[in-house]
Amino acid sequence: QSVLTQPPSASGTPGQRVTISCSGSSSNIGSNTVNWYQQLPGTAPKLLIYSNNQRPSGVPDRFSGSKSGTSASLAISGLQSEDEADYYCAAWDDSLNAVVFGGGTKLTVL
Amino acid sequence: EVQLVESGGGLVKPGGSLRLSCAASGFTFSSYSMNWVRQAPGKGLEWVSSISSSSSYIYYADSVKGRFTISRDNAKNSLYLQMNSLRAEDTAVYYCARAPDYGDLPEYWGQGTLVTVSS
Repeated sequence: QSVLTQPPSASGTPGQRVTISCSGSSSNIGSNTVNWYQQLPGTAPKLLIYSNNQRPSGVPDRFSGSKSGTSASLAISGLQSEDEADYYCAAWDDSLNAVVFGGGTKLTVL
Repeated sequence: EVQLVESGGGLVKPGGSLRLSCAASGFTFSSYSMNWVRQAPGKGLEWVSSISSSSSYIYYADSVKGRFTISRDNAKNSLYLQMNSLRAEDTAVYYCARAPDYGDLPEYWGQGTLVTVSS
């Protein structure tokens, strides 16, 4: 059971906009920033969004992040087939003194 | 370019020990906190441990506390994870990951090394 809660799956057709939610608590998302990671099949995770809504250099602006209270969201607009991957949210938890991850969301492009 | 290369994985029997290494290059290793994160086959990411730049702060997941020890050698640009009393549930790909200078969450990731605990 992950500390951060994500839907196990999401899907969309090419060109659509999809969102993935990440729910936490006051000790993690509520008081710290959120990162999002993309993991393509058979590869290491890659940083997609940091500090709630910042994109590292090279990440397309189709990807955006937001945070409100104890929840965060990742939005992907103009969905492309290469976006098919697993997506994870993460935050520091002040009560656990630990990095906590969501369980991951498998995105399927139909 | 930031590079993180893990090594030391392999097959070990339950109750055995293994030491993972992570060789860092492309940045000033001594200035950054580092993490170990693992992923069991077909499962999600699980944070294992973090160590601050000067080793002053060390944290562990409850699942490995008392069995695993994280350490670093800034002179050798290397991160380590000593794993003792290994269990079948420790079977996973172990990733070395660097944190940014402004926080604790993983920023750059290595390619991982597979640890299999089985008799």
